Amino acid sequence: DVKVTQSSRYLVKRTGEKVFLECVQDMDHENMFWYRQDPGLGLRLIYFSYDVKMKEKGDIPEGYSVSREKKERFSLILESASTNQTSMYLCASSLLGNEQFFGPGTRLTVL
Amino acid sequence: KNQVEQSPQSLIILEGKNCTLQCNYTVSPFSNLRWYKQDTGRGPVSLTIMTFSENTKSNGRYTATLDADTKQSSLHITASQLSDSASYICVVRDYSGGGADGLTFGKGTHLIIQP
Repeated sequence: DVKVTQSSRYLVKRTGEKVFLECVQDMDHENMFWYRQDPGLGLRLIYFSYDVKMKEKGDIPEGYSVSREKKERFSLILESASTNQTSMYLCASSLLGNEQFFGPGTRLTVL
Repeated sequence: KNQVEQSPQSLIILEGKNCTLQCNYTVSPFSNLRWYKQDTGRGPVSLTIMTFSENTKSNGRYTATLDADTKQSSLHITASQLSDSASYICVVRDYSGGGADGLTFGKGTHLIIQP
């Protein structure tokens, strides 16, 4: 079974803090993705990566950066958290464009 | 621009009843369509995938249909159970070969099953 894990289920941070969200997959997938999910807006792609050290902007990259130093790990970084980044963050991985497998999500609250 | 529209936005039905969720898309060139189920506070999990040549596919009490001519898909749930309460997300893939797996996500239908 594919397993995608995320470092935290719930996270509370203050405005201006630097926030790291970690995602690890155990199936040797090339592609990894970060989404945010908000009520009424659905899933929106923030960044994705198709190889180690490679990254591509998604639809809403502003205010975020990513890091992929190892194939199994994809990190999302909020350089200076703001209240409008309060959301559910979902990580996913896929093999060569096949089914995306999602992690359990991190619910981030920025106060 | 590729789009995926789902209806209804939300639905409440009694346990044991059937229901049908709709997905209309304008994605080209079409590759496949997948339905995901997302339980509250969890990540989406794939229920079924439909390719161009498939009209109907079942997964237990879930039956998905695809009409590639009208660009419509439906997800029918038979004899609903409380555990079916979730959001159902329609995701369409294109053959563009672009990044991000070529996916377009619908906003989902939030289904509540009442006892």
